[in-house]
Amino acid sequence: ELKVEQNPLFLSMQEGKNYTIYCNYSTTSDRLYWYRQDPGKSLESLFVLLSNGAVKQEGRLMASLDTKARLSTLHITAAVHDLSAIYFCAVDNFGNEKLTFGTGTRLTIIP
Amino acid sequence: ETGVTQSPTHLIKTRGQQVTLRCSSQSGHNTVSWYQQALGQGPQFIFQYYREEENGRGNFPPRFSGLQFPNYSSELNVNALELDDSALYLCASSSGQIFYNEQFFGPGTRLTVL
Repeated sequence: ELKVEQNPLFLSMQEGKNYTIYCNYSTTSDRLYWYRQDPGKSLESLFVLLSNGAVKQEGRLMASLDTKARLSTLHITAAVHDLSAIYFCAVDNFGNEKLTFGTGTRLTIIP
Repeated sequence: ETGVTQSPTHLIKTRGQQVTLRCSSQSGHNTVSWYQQALGQGPQFIFQYYREEENGRGNFPPRFSGLQFPNYSSELNVNALELDDSALYLCASSSGQIFYNEQFFGPGTRLTVL
């Protein structure tokens, strides 16, 4: 059974600082997704990583995928308050969009 | 092009009742997946429909059932509601192409079971 673990579960950081969220998964997969969720809202797609070594960046967020280590990272650079949200990684290990989600990382940016 | 829509937005039911949630897929998408997100947890895959047929199911009991219609909209039905069924129910649609398909999530239906 595929397991997806994120750490940390909770992250409180000051504006302007850098930090990384880690996503480990238990079976072979080369499709990994990152989503953002604001409280009470739906999921917003951030990144889709489709191959080993994939790196994508959008604004202050950068995601990478290492399929050999079964690890993805979401790096936050110079955090701003607007980035406060819950971040989920999700793995698609059959290539058919049946996603297994991590537990989420609740990120709070403190001014 | 309209996005994924869901109805109703909120719903309150009592234990033992039945509920139907609805999802309209994004234009051009023939695949709909349903997810349950309990409070404080990540979404869990319930099942997927592709061209009106169930195309995979997660670890949910048979009282969770679904349909997909010729226009690719979908319903999620839950019978004999239990307190633990209280959650945000999300549907996502994708285009069903052979290779990678991005899923687009709807706004969700928040179900409360009392």
